[in-house]
Parts: sequence; structure tokens; C-alpha cells
Amino acid sequence: DIQMTQSPSSLSASVGDRVSITCRASQSISSYLSWYQQKPGKAPKLLIYAASTLQSGVPSRFSGSGSGTLFTLTISSLQPEDFATYYCQQSANTPYTFGQGTRLEIK
Amino acid sequence: QVQLQESGPGLVKPSETLSLTCTVSGGSISGYYWSWIRQPPGKGLEWIGYIYYTGSTKYNPSLESRVTISVDRSKNQFSLKLSSVTAADTAVYYCARLIARTGSCDWFDPWGQGTLVTVSS
Repeated sequence: DIQMTQSPSSLSASVGDRVSITCRASQSISSYLSWYQQKPGKAPKLLIYAASTLQSGVPSRFSGSGSGTLFTLTISSLQPEDFATYYCQQSANTPYTFGQGTRLEIK
Repeated sequence: QVQLQESGPGLVKPSETLSLTCTVSGGSISGYYWSWIRQPPGKGLEWIGYIYYTGSTKYNPSLESRVTISVDRSKNQFSLKLSSVTAADTAVYYCARLIARTGSCDWFDPWGQGTLVTVSS
């Protein structure tokens, strides 16, 4: 299985901050990476697919980059509704696997 | 737009079979892949498997011996059965549409709201 490792596991930030979350794959996955946002008690929501393509309706302050084994999700200016847990997911091989999650908290 | 809703028992006894159904509304189940994903309380996400609308399936090897996913196109539903459950199978179970294209990234969108299944006697 391809292991996905996110860093940091948790992050404290303030409204208006620029934050980045990293996802590292245990082997090259080209651009077969997606990002999800999950709020407490809710289902994950797709933000980005193919490493950098923004899902329709997702605010442009979210962006994704990377290829191969290293990927980054960036939020350019944090809004109150962005405090949540973020997951990366690879689809280069089955079984599809997710990172362990990054919890973004209010400082 | 397409919406998904999970249904089934919230409590299952150890060694029994967990059975859930996902009802797709706002669109047809035809032409797509459909998937089950679970999340133990306070933990991360685990892909269980998927089914194509034609009935072909792929499962996570870690669960393959216990999992069956089926589809009922007439009802616009797909289902999950997980046999011989233990406390380790306690989780929120999500159904989701899998967007999968040859030679391209696959992703899950949309997701159902999830249903908590507890394995306990």
C-alpha cells in the first residue's frame, strides 16, 4: 500500500494567516492526489483533485501544488470557516489511501 | 445535484454481519463508480471498496475476505456487507461517488452524511 504522511498533524493559526499543509507519499504518485476538508460531525468535502485542480465552488484561497511524492495544500488567508481537519488521498494505486489528517485550530 | 444517504442498523453484535445501503438521489447510479469509506471514532479515513454500476468491484485487501458490495440499479442504491465484525469495525461509514477516469486522478465526491455503526453485544 502507498503510505500518505501529512505534516504537521495539528496547526494553530489566526484568521488572515497563510498556512500550508504537506502530504508526502511513500512512492511516486504523479499528480494522483486529492485534498478534503472535514468539519466535526460532517462528511469530508472535496477541495482539490489532480494535485492542483480546484473543485467547483471551492474558494480560490485554497490551492494545491506538487507532484511525485511531495504535495502542498495552501490556504492564502484563513477564514473562520476554514478551521477543520484536512486529509490528502492518493489514487495512483488501489487500495486508495488517506493521510492521517491535519487539524487546523484557531490560535 | 447528486445526494447520497446511508441507512442501516446502528448497532451490530460481534461476529455478525454489518449491512448498510446507500441511496442515490438527484442523479442516476449508472455511469459511475460508487464507494464505501469508513472512519473509526477520532481516527482517519479507510477506503473499503468500490463498485461500478455494472457490478464489477474492487476491495481493500485488508478487508476483502469479509466485504461484499452490490448494486441495485432499479432502486438507485448500492450496499455494503461486512461479515464477522468485531469492535475494531466500529466506525462512521460513508458512501461516496468515485470519479474515476483511465489515466487520471480518482476522487470521492459527493459523500453521504455518514452513519455510525457500533459493534457491541
